[in-house]
Formats: sequence, structure tokens, C-alpha cells
Amino acid sequence: SQQGEEDPQALSIQEGENATMNCSYKTSINNLQWYRQNSGRGLVHLILIRSNEREKHSGRLRVTLDTSKKSSSLLITASRAADTASYFCATERRGEATPLVFGKGTRLSVIA
Amino acid sequence: DGGITQSPKYLFRKEGQNVTLSCEQNLNHDAMYWYRQDPGQGLRLIYYSQIVNDFQKGDIAEGYSVSREKKESFPLTVTSAQKNPTAFYLCASSNGDRDYEQYFGPGTRLTVT
Repeated sequence: SQQGEEDPQALSIQEGENATMNCSYKTSINNLQWYRQNSGRGLVHLILIRSNEREKHSGRLRVTLDTSKKSSSLLITASRAADTASYFCATERRGEATPLVFGKGTRLSVIA
Repeated sequence: DGGITQSPKYLFRKEGQNVTLSCEQNLNHDAMYWYRQDPGQGLRLIYYSQIVNDFQKGDIAEGYSVSREKKESFPLTVTSAQKNPTAFYLCASSNGDRDYEQYFGPGTRLTVT
């Protein structure tokens, strides 16, 4: 069963612009993670934010978490053509010894 | 060079044949996972194992089987009972059961005709 829903499904921007992707989920979580997937490759972990955190930064990435709205956003600043990829959110559900649950992803295209 | 490997990268089989996908990790991770990804879709969990000699079904286990005889290895067999086996298969591993990240292999693209 899919827990996270990313929005939008696809996003196309110019190089240098900021890209914002959103993720909504249904149940209480321990943490929420964002992953990146280049076409035809495996996923790469980007950032993890715990349920008691509201914002986290890593390089050009900024993640926010609003547990009252059960939503998260991933902001990529000053995007580059190399940021073109699919981005997935994944949630670790609270109180369950089950693996991460992934959303369907946002496909980002950065045009040079 | 630590990591998780999957082989082969591309695999072609005739309908009705079983096929086994390899997944090996040298990260000393306890947990391993198999996912299926269809075009433009997210990941769906097939099976996972949190310890050697034990594994659990995921959301779409029907038509698949796994074994976990060694910590490093978690092979997936796609049986002839799987009605629509053509897909991209991803293996992952992780350490710990809280606030962990998953490490993914490069994937195997299986085509069944």
C-alpha cells in the first residue's frame, strides 16, 4: 500500500530556478525521507527528517515537515540540468516494524 | 568498495520459465528488500528480510519467492505464476530498525515474452 503521494507528478523548470515538490501521507510517522532516481538506475537517499523536526537542510536541498498536515516539501534551489531525475518520498510509519513506504514520485526536468 | 550489487542488468526470459535475480551486499546490513517498479510508477514491496533465515511478504508477493541463507545475499525468483513479470526490479538493504536509510542496487530490468 502506498503511504506517500507526491505532487506534482511532473515538473519542468529552467536551470537556475527553484524546484518544489510536495509529499502527503496518511498515518503517523517516525520519519520521512526523500530519495532521487536517475532514469533506469537505483534510488539514492537524499535526506531524512524526523517527526520532531520541522526543517532540514543539506546543500541545495531544503526539506520541511508539517506533521499536523501530514505533509512534507522538498525544495531544490538553483537547479541544474544534472538535477533532472525522479524524486520519491518515503515514510517510516510509527509503531510498525515494516519497511519504508514509497510514494509514486515527482519527475523533475531541468532545462538548460 | 562497499555497496549492493544486482545482476544481471538486463534479463530476457520466455513466458513459463522461472528466473532468479541476484542481490548481494557487503555493507553488513541485517535487512534486505525487493521492490518492483513499473514505468512511471513508484516502488512496490515484494518481500523483505530483517534477519538471516527469515523473510516476510510485502504488498505484491504473489508469484515471487525469496531465500535468505546468508546475510549478504537475498535472491528473488520470479515464478511462472507471476502474471505480469516484465518490470524493473530493485534490491535494497538497510541497517537498524529506526531512522534508517535504504541503500539501493542498480536494478535488473526483466523482460518476459
